[in-house]
Amino acid sequence: GIQVEQSPPDLILQEGANSTLRCNFSDSVNNLQWFHQNPWGQLINLFYIPSGTKQNGRLSATTVATERYSLLYISSSQTTDSGVYFCAVVSNNNDMRFGAGTRLTVKP
Amino acid sequence: EPEVTQTPSHQVTQMGQEVILRCVPISNHLYFYWYRQILGQKVEFLVSFYNNEISEKSEIFDDQFSVERPDGSNFTLKIRSTKLEDSAMYFCASGTVSNQPQHFGDGTRLSIL
Repeated sequence: GIQVEQSPPDLILQEGANSTLRCNFSDSVNNLQWFHQNPWGQLINLFYIPSGTKQNGRLSATTVATERYSLLYISSSQTTDSGVYFCAVVSNNNDMRFGAGTRLTVKP
Repeated sequence: EPEVTQTPSHQVTQMGQEVILRCVPISNHLYFYWYRQILGQKVEFLVSFYNNEISEKSEIFDDQFSVERPDGSNFTLKIRSTKLEDSAMYFCASGTVSNQPQHFGDGTRLSIL
């Protein structure tokens, strides 16, 4: 099945700093989503982005489908951005595959 | 904004007992999914369901698991005889078509004693 790799596995930032999270995938995809898992375990959908670029406030994402990667940008990070960020993809079959996540810690 | 709702939020069950996790997907969605996340690990696909039948399932989804859409609104996951390793967060999701975004519920934390 499709492989999803995220980097870095862990990231520690000072409040106000910017960061880039990366997701590489091994095959063409029909669907790619970025999620934030908060400390209560909820999966918050950030972006549906199988291709192109989207922005939502301090967050933006870019997927280059032909090169099989996606990037999530977080600008002016806040302590509430802490948590685990997951990239998840759907390939030709119907199952969504998640990466192992990037654990982000933002320090005040 | 419509959302996927899951009940209960936390379920504690004795090993060997049957457990049913419940989900109410978004009303106009046609595709339904269950996922599992063992503590500290990544989210894993279990099963997808469309047109009243399973469309895909993972190797995790063995004979101990079953899914059902008993009426027009609920979507359930049953674990027949629970094991300690079934302890995890279980997420339900739904979508309009297979290549559109999946919307996730808040999860049910299942603890097997």
